Amino acid sequence: GESVGLHLPTLSVQEGDNSIINCAYSNSASDYFIWYKQESGKGPQFIIDIRSNMDKRQGQRVTVLLNKTVKHLSLQIAATQPGDSAVYFCAENSDSKLTFGKGITLSVRP
Amino acid sequence: DAGVIQSPRHEVTEMGQEVTLRCKPISGHDYLFWYRQTMMRGLELLIYFNNNVPIDDSGMPEDRFSAKMPNASFSTLKIQPSEPRDSAVYFCASRLAGGGNEQFFGPGTRLTVL
Repeated sequence: GESVGLHLPTLSVQEGDNSIINCAYSNSASDYFIWYKQESGKGPQFIIDIRSNMDKRQGQRVTVLLNKTVKHLSLQIAATQPGDSAVYFCAENSDSKLTFGKGITLSVRP
Repeated sequence: DAGVIQSPRHEVTEMGQEVTLRCKPISGHDYLFWYRQTMMRGLELLIYFNNNVPIDDSGMPEDRFSAKMPNASFSTLKIQPSEPRDSAVYFCASRLAGGGNEQFFGPGTRLTVL
């Protein structure tokens, strides 16, 4: 069946470095993709989204890249801060339904 | 706005008991979603409503699970009877149609069935 998955379960980065979190998806019919951040004990929080007809979108310190040829999605975080430590999920939307990946833990070293 | 409100935040019950989880979406939002999160299966959509009407319940595990939305400001997810494998964190989220793609999640209810 269709699914959204992540390449790596954990990512450790040095404070101040850039982080890149990757995601593979399989449903080519998805109309947009979203990145969520989840801190311990809290619900997922929206970071940024990108429509399927785009290949790049920038936000504050974050950039999402979409490569439909290889069905790959990435989240880039510039100048990673301790507050960025969390679990990150990619999700794809089809017919108002979100399908989430398993999640990757980002750990920021001081 | 206070955001999506869920209650209780924690629930511990014994197998066989009825469990009712509650959600108040953000005022004015017309979509409401119920998710379940476990380590093994991740974040799964159970059911969602549009304008208080259930649209897709294909994610509901079995007949023991039911959800209602009697009005625009309240929804419940009921498990009867509960089983240990139902232990998980249950999230409610809401979204505004035409307001972008963001779903706003509540803080979740951590359910433990003994």
